[in-house]
Amino acid sequence: DAKTTQPPSMDCAEGRAANLPCNHSTISGNEYVYWYRQIHSQGPQYIIHGLKNNETNEMASLIITEDRKSSTLILPHATLRDTAVYYCIVRVGYRDDKIIFGKGTRLHILP
Amino acid sequence: DAGVIQSPRHEVTEMGQEVTLRCKPISGHNSLFWYRQTMMRGLELLIYFNNNVPIDDSGMPEDRFSAKMPNASFSTLKIQPSEPRDSAVYFCASSGTGVHEQYFGPGTRLTVT
Repeated sequence: DAKTTQPPSMDCAEGRAANLPCNHSTISGNEYVYWYRQIHSQGPQYIIHGLKNNETNEMASLIITEDRKSSTLILPHATLRDTAVYYCIVRVGYRDDKIIFGKGTRLHILP
Repeated sequence: DAGVIQSPRHEVTEMGQEVTLRCKPISGHNSLFWYRQTMMRGLELLIYFNNNVPIDDSGMPEDRFSAKMPNASFSTLKIQPSEPRDSAVYFCASSGTGVHEQYFGPGTRLTVT
C-alpha cells in the first residue's frame, strides 16, 4: 500500500471548517483514500473514503486532486467533539485485509 | 447491532501471568483484526483472520503472543507469559467482504506490573 504524509498537528477554531491535508504521491490506480479518526481513549472510527471523485457524507467531505497525489478532508463546522487524531490511509478497496496506520494529524478544536 | 465487543475493558496483571483478551466481531463480518497501540509505536496490526483462518501474523511480537478464532463470532489474543512492555491498548476490529470500512471495538487497556 502507498504511504501517506500528514502534518503532525493542526488547530481549528470551533465552528470553522477544518481542512486536513494528506499527500499520497505514490498512490496506485486501484487504491482508495480512506480517512479514520481516533478520539481519545476510543477505537478508530471510519469517516469517509474515495477513489477519484470528491465524496461527502454526514461527517465530512473528501476532496481528491485530479492527479490523485493528494487529498483534503473537510469537517465543515468543527466542534470540540471533533478533537482527535485523523489518519489518512491509502489501500486497495474492498479487500478484507490490514490497514497500516501512520502517525496521523492531531486536530485541536479551539473554543 | 452492538458493534465489536471486547472484554475485559481493563486488565491489570503481574509480570509472568497469562493474559487472555477476547473479541466478538460484528455478526456477518468475516475478517477480524487485532491491533496494539502504544505511545511509542502508535497503532500497529498484530494479526488478522479471514473466514476464521489466520492470514497475516507478521505483526505478532514474539512467541509469547498467540491468537485464535475458533468460530466466526469469537477470537482470543493470549499473552503468556506477560511482560511490562506488553502494556498497551489492544483493539479488535472486524469488516466484511465488499465493505470498505473496519469497525473497531472499544479496546482493552492492559497494564502489566
